[in-house]
Amino acid sequence: SYVLTQPPSVSVAPGQTARITCGGNNIGSKSVHWYQQKPGQAPVLVVYDDSDRPSGIPERFSGSNSGNTATLTISRVEAGDEADYYCQVWDSSSDHPYVVFGGGTKLTVL
Amino acid sequence: QVQLVQSGAEVKKPGASVKVSCKASGYTFTSYDINWVRQATGQGLEWMGWMNPNSGNTGYAQKFQGRVTMTRNTSISTAYMELSSLRSEDTAVYYCARGGSSSVMDVWGQGTTVTVSS
Repeated sequence: SYVLTQPPSVSVAPGQTARITCGGNNIGSKSVHWYQQKPGQAPVLVVYDDSDRPSGIPERFSGSNSGNTATLTISRVEAGDEADYYCQVWDSSSDHPYVVFGGGTKLTVL
Repeated sequence: QVQLVQSGAEVKKPGASVKVSCKASGYTFTSYDINWVRQATGQGLEWMGWMNPNSGNTGYAQKFQGRVTMTRNTSISTAYMELSSLRSEDTAVYYCARGGSSSVMDVWGQGTTVTVSS
């Protein structure tokens, strides 16, 4: 089965840049989506198809995907960005296609 | 506005079944898939499966095959997820999410807490 690996935690000071990685075998060949989840709330889509942003998501959120690593970058981090972040792909390589989520990364704003 | 509204919290005994509803509004219900995702307390997101509301076609995660059933009522724009043979490990928040191309989930319901306890 396809596995997505995220660091459990990332810490950054306000105003700095946070980078959250998502590793997977040849993930660059897949479309990667990123979700933000704050405590007690449902996930919110922040980046889709590697690097596109839904309407209403600040330009500070961006994404990239190449080789075996996809990255969510949050520029000029704010206190309100503190949350769990999950990457997600659709794995169609087997006879039984399915959605895969990464384990999640807790972003702490120092 | 586009939204998904789920049914309320449930408490079930081990071995029982639970059926969670997800009512769509603000868009054409049959034009987008519905995914179901669950999250145990303090844990990550776990995908359970998807349903095409137009055709009724479904795809389930292997872990839930034989225990989960996803259905819909297009006349009231509502999707359902039924999980049977409940055990304590099924205690979680269950979400429905609208699915688009490449399985992106762009709109999520508020979540339904299911507690399995004797």
